Amino acid sequence: QLVLTQSPSASASLGASVNLTCTLSSGHSSYAIAWHQQQPEKGPRYLMKLNSDGSHSKGDGIPDRFSGSSSGAERYLTISSLQSEDEADYYCQTWGTDIRVFGGGTKLTVL
Amino acid sequence: EVQLVESGGDLVQPGGSLRLSCAASGFTVSSKYMSWVRQAPGKGLEWVSVIYSVGSTYYADSVKGRFTISRHNSKNTLYLQMNSLRPEDTAVYYCARDPNYGAGYWGQGTLVTVSS
Repeated sequence: QLVLTQSPSASASLGASVNLTCTLSSGHSSYAIAWHQQQPEKGPRYLMKLNSDGSHSKGDGIPDRFSGSSSGAERYLTISSLQSEDEADYYCQTWGTDIRVFGGGTKLTVL
Repeated sequence: EVQLVESGGDLVQPGGSLRLSCAASGFTVSSKYMSWVRQAPGKGLEWVSVIYSVGSTYYADSVKGRFTISRHNSKNTLYLQMNSLRPEDTAVYYCARDPNYGAGYWGQGTLVTVSS
């Protein structure tokens, strides 16, 4: 079964860096994912597509501070030089032939 | 510039029906994979349905048999026909361009409330 697992919460200080993790279920380590950001009271925003080899393609206007990487079944979103507007929920998403799956989301708090 | 604009959300009684629309601009809906995704109050994102460029459609188990995704090519619009609505279908419904091939995009969402 295709499942994505995310930690419910994370925190980091203003100006610091943070890594958010999304883990693919067993047998699905070759799958690409997408990262999405949802700021409070707003709709989701597409950040990037992240492949199993770590290559990624970002959406329109996404700052260089956002990057992605992969290791095995883990997919990472790194945000550097944290700003207050980065405080948001972050969701990973993947897909199969007949399904799309979202992780439960990580709530990022900028201290 | 790519834009997705949803409409059609409303308050509806349990057992009722509703059709959501998503008007696209800046690209051709029929050439991309398009999804409906919903978010219940205070909850995470839940995938509802996808339609492929070739016309294949797929649904989450929670809506299978009740919801139908479709598109009107000349209007460049995506639809979600929702029948036999239940209180647990209450959510903001987003249309989204699938990130499987090419960049993803999201609409601003439309609120569906199922309540008597």
